[in-house]
Amino acid sequence: QKEVEQDPGPLSVPEGAIVSLNCTYSNSAFQYFMWYRQYSRKGPELLMYTYSSGNKEDGRFTAQVDKSSKYISLFIRDSQPSDSATYLCAMEAGGTSYGKLTFGQGTILTVHP
Amino acid sequence: EAQVTQNPRYLITVTGKKLTVTCSQNMNHEYMSWYRQDPGLGLRQIYYSMNVEVTDKGDVPEGYKVSRKEKRNFPLILESPSPNQTSLYFCASSPGRELYNEQFFGPGTRLTVL
Repeated sequence: QKEVEQDPGPLSVPEGAIVSLNCTYSNSAFQYFMWYRQYSRKGPELLMYTYSSGNKEDGRFTAQVDKSSKYISLFIRDSQPSDSATYLCAMEAGGTSYGKLTFGQGTILTVHP
Repeated sequence: EAQVTQNPRYLITVTGKKLTVTCSQNMNHEYMSWYRQDPGLGLRQIYYSMNVEVTDKGDVPEGYKVSRKEKRNFPLILESPSPNQTSLYFCASSPGRELYNEQFFGPGTRLTVL
């Protein structure tokens, strides 16, 4: 079993829809949770991070972490065609594992006009 | 311009022929890391370095070597490449150990091992 599981999709939604992207994980030591966006033929770029459980909002993006369920989510409101990309979740345990990142498989999202 | 550069961007080689992929950053970042990306598997960390002369294994270090002799450079060495190392490779750097400080990724190196 992979430490981090992410539904690869693909996910196709109409412009303006609310998008929900999710990851589950098995390592209870993970404390830092990140979402990256990767456009085609580009390197990933950090979208959001969350420490421990809770919600974090940044514009149209909201990240949620539920450590009790080992489940994280990224919500995109009012989705735009420019949001079409692959979204990767990533996690780090911190402590002696600082610097060691584990990624999900990535979800391919297409927002059509 | 702040950036992470990788060379070469594309490489086709044969099994067993040693190769090095270079990575350089001009931001004085302490942390650097190598990843490989394969369809359906996402990004997998190969090695990372918290500072000069400090390197650690990621999830898939087998068949790879790295060195960090100076802060700006973090080359990835494949001593005897095999076809299962055909992949898209990314180098990344970050200001410090907290990776929620944004990681800057290089443009990627597409490697094919025949």
